[in-house]
Amino acid sequence: EAQVTQNPRYLITVTGKKLTVTCSQNMNHEYMSWYRQDPGLGLRQIYYSMNVEVTDKGDVPEGYKVSRKEKRNFPLILESPSPNQTSLYFCASSFWGSGANVLTFGAGSRLTVL
Amino acid sequence: QQQVKQSPQSLIVQKGGISIINCAYENTAFDYFPWYQQFPGKGPALLIAIRPDVSEKKEGRFTISFNKSAKQFSLHIMDSQPGDSATYFCAASSSGGSQGNLIFGKGTKLSVKP
Repeated sequence: EAQVTQNPRYLITVTGKKLTVTCSQNMNHEYMSWYRQDPGLGLRQIYYSMNVEVTDKGDVPEGYKVSRKEKRNFPLILESPSPNQTSLYFCASSFWGSGANVLTFGAGSRLTVL
Repeated sequence: QQQVKQSPQSLIVQKGGISIINCAYENTAFDYFPWYQQFPGKGPALLIAIRPDVSEKKEGRFTISFNKSAKQFSLHIMDSQPGDSATYFCAASSSGGSQGNLIFGKGTKLSVKP
């Protein structure tokens, strides 16, 4: 089944404790992206990647890191999480360059930072 | 310039009624306008999309109307059903520059009452 898999789905952590949210896709997509969803603010892009070793900042990159060492994986790293990073996170992927970017989203990862 | 403004933030419609969600954009380079549907606990999924060479696209009960001169597009859901209750996001992207990178509106939470 074609899918984007995120882990963990739920996580409660404390301020300053480094964490990684993994994202993997099995569709050989070039493009991958991370979003956070907050009430009233919609989907805000954190980082995106157009291919292996190519990443770029989205609208809200502060406090986050990403890497794209393999085509299928695009982990989101919070080096020192803070309470304002409590949110619902989505990873998405698609083929790139067609001008019609049809995103496949993961099921989401709900993160709480105490 | 990069924003996509979506309204209303929430919408309550009776079963069988018409739901209308509006979006406006500024960047005239945008040339792809999709709508995503998100059910509670799930990631968003592509519902319907349009390019500016047509003024309307219909798929079943869902229609996108596009007004290029006004830089506006809207989603119409005819004969709305309780199963349509979800959050809807409009989005836009352009083929040039960071081609294909979608810019999302803030979302509209639709509730269809039986």
